[in-house]
Amino acid sequence: DAGVIQSPRHEVTEMGQEVTLRCKPISGHNSLFWYRQTMMRGLELLIYFNNNVPIDDSGMPEDRFSAKMPNASFSTLKIQPSEPRDSAVYFCASNTWSGTGYTFGSGTRLTVV
Amino acid sequence: DQQVKQNSPSLSVQEGRISILNCDYTNSMFDYFLWYKKYPAEGPTFLISISSIKDKNEDGRFTVFLNKSAKHLSLHIVPSQPGDSAVYFCAASGDNYGQNFVFGPGTRLSVLP
Repeated sequence: DAGVIQSPRHEVTEMGQEVTLRCKPISGHNSLFWYRQTMMRGLELLIYFNNNVPIDDSGMPEDRFSAKMPNASFSTLKIQPSEPRDSAVYFCASNTWSGTGYTFGSGTRLTVV
Repeated sequence: DQQVKQNSPSLSVQEGRISILNCDYTNSMFDYFLWYKKYPAEGPTFLISISSIKDKNEDGRFTVFLNKSAKHLSLHIVPSQPGDSAVYFCAASGDNYGQNFVFGPGTRLSVLP
């Protein structure tokens, strides 16, 4: 099992550009979560999906953020246009309830200059 | 308003001694709690969990205590080892499927040789 796979590991982009982060959950996991980690706010839930359907997107900070899960093995988080304050580490996680919570990917470190 | 609080951003402990990491929560509906450990440049990994029907759960050197009346839990690491140096996140859930976890801001533990 390769775990939750995120790409890219690092992304540096200029303000105003579109950024797309990608995630492949663990096969068989029916829930997928996008988190953002910052020094000030720690780990914040942005959105989560159950069986490819968005359940709660109340954590998505602005309309500039959007997430999709077209199938059980792939999800994207898009920021358009990006701003310097979006700089953070973005984690994807997946689970199927087993009492051990989520399995996290290694994260994408986004820097918007 | 943070529902899960970890009021100590950092903690330093001598190798071999006990490390105690604290977590407080405000939502009385929370009934399942997890601790995650995070190393730099990696995603958080599951460490230990506790359900509200228990007040203690032990796994090797790691023990989690839950005080429901005080809405407080703590993670004890005995004995502490340099490899335990990491950021520790407390997470809580109150939904029926235990899927939507709220994370605390984390505590950085440094175990000194």
